Amino acid sequence: GQSLEQPSEVTAVEGAIVQINCTYQTSGFYGLSWYQQHDGGAPTFLSYNALDGLEETGRFSSFLSRSDSYGYLLLQELQMKDSASYFCALSDSWGKLQFGAGTQVVVTP
Amino acid sequence: SAVISQKPSRDICQRGTSLTIQCQVDSQVTMMFWYRQQPGQSLTLIATANQGSEATYESGFVIDKFPISRPNLTFSTLTVSNMSPEDSSIYLCSVGGVGSSTGELFFGEGSRLTVL
Repeated sequence: GQSLEQPSEVTAVEGAIVQINCTYQTSGFYGLSWYQQHDGGAPTFLSYNALDGLEETGRFSSFLSRSDSYGYLLLQELQMKDSASYFCALSDSWGKLQFGAGTQVVVTP
Repeated sequence: SAVISQKPSRDICQRGTSLTIQCQVDSQVTMMFWYRQQPGQSLTLIATANQGSEATYESGFVIDKFPISRPNLTFSTLTVSNMSPEDSSIYLCSVGGVGSSTGELFFGEGSRLTVL
């Protein structure tokens, strides 16, 4: 089977940088995705790594190292609106996702 | 991208009853995925629905409890049968976008079910 681990909660102040780590165990996968979910809302796609390395999308960046079974999401220039849950997820070739438990990011003034 | 409409957005149901959730997509998609999100928890895949074939269920989910229909490439339904309070969850329909990476899914707003 597959398993993903990520911290349950991270707190940071506005303007700071936050890194959410995701370690995984799997026999095979296509890529690692990141999703944001605000309370009461649907998950929204943030970033995806099919290959090792860094992907940058605005204030958000994601990294994957297959050799270390590890990835992270980097949130820069934190804003209050970034307070949400963030999920890493492993995808297969069909697009099916298995999600981690999620990290609650709390941004304080 | 894909726009997904789910109905109902929320409902309160009595124990032992069944409820059908509808998912409508604004474009034709091959695969549709149904997820469950229990209160304060992550998303768990229930099943994958392909048009013209039976849905494929994940471990722990069975067709008798969660029958799925997929009559065409833009529509699917998920029924939660013989509900109990443990079925109180948000049920989410999702699809991949045309031309998007396999890591990108679009989600409906979810159907929040409360079972009394």
